[in-house]
Amino acid sequence: GAVVSQHPSWVICKSGTSVKIECRSLDFQATTMFWYRQFPKQSLMLMATSNEGSKATYEQGVEKDKFLINHASLTLSTLTVTSAHPEDSSFYICSALDRGSHGYTFGSGTRLTVV
Amino acid sequence: ILNVEQSPQSLHVQEGDSTNFTCSFPSSNFYALHWYRWETAKSPEALFVMTLNGDEKKKGRISATLNTKEGYSYLYIKGSQPEDSATYLCALGQAGTALIFGKGTTLSVSS
Repeated sequence: GAVVSQHPSWVICKSGTSVKIECRSLDFQATTMFWYRQFPKQSLMLMATSNEGSKATYEQGVEKDKFLINHASLTLSTLTVTSAHPEDSSFYICSALDRGSHGYTFGSGTRLTVV
Repeated sequence: ILNVEQSPQSLHVQEGDSTNFTCSFPSSNFYALHWYRWETAKSPEALFVMTLNGDEKKKGRISATLNTKEGYSYLYIKGSQPEDSATYLCALGQAGTALIFGKGTTLSVSS
C-alpha cells in the first residue's frame, strides 16, 4: 500500500534554532500534502495545505513565516519550524493525498521538543 | 467550525471482550467519515471510509456503522485482542480537502 516516510521521528532543539521535517511519498504521487499538529489531549489540527508547485495555504492562527512549507515535487514536502520556541513543542504529522486513489496516507509523525 | 466528538476518551477491556466507540458529527453537509487505527510511533492506518447513510463495513473483527441523518458512527471490535490496543480516530472528510479529526478513543486490551 501507499507509504509516507516522515523524518525525523523525534527531535530536540534549542530555542531560536530551526528544524526541518520531511515527508516523502514512497510509491505514489502526492498532489497535496496536509500538515497537522497535535497538542496533548487534543485532536490533530490542520496547520496548512500544500499543493505541488504552489504556495501553501495556512489555517487561521498559523504563522506562515514561522512554519515554512515547501512542496517542490510530487514526492517530497517539508515543514521548517523557524526560530523555534518552547511553545512550538508539539507533535507534527503529514498526510498525503494520493492523486490516483484519492486516499489519505499519513506519515508516522515527528515529536518536536524545544528547550 | 465543524466539531467531531469521540467517546469514550479511553477504555480498558479484557481480552475477549467486545467493545464499541462512538463518533458524533454535524449531520448537515456530510460527505464522508473516516476511521483510523493509530498505534504509538506508527502511521495512522485507514480502517474504513463511509459515505452513505446506513453504511456498514467490516474488516475482520472490526466493523462500523454510519448514520448521517443523526450524525453518528459506531466502531465495534468483537473479541478484543491485545494487538487491538491503539487509538481509534474518526475524521470528517470533503473531497480532496483536509480531514477534521476527533480526539480519538484509546483502547487498552489486557491479556
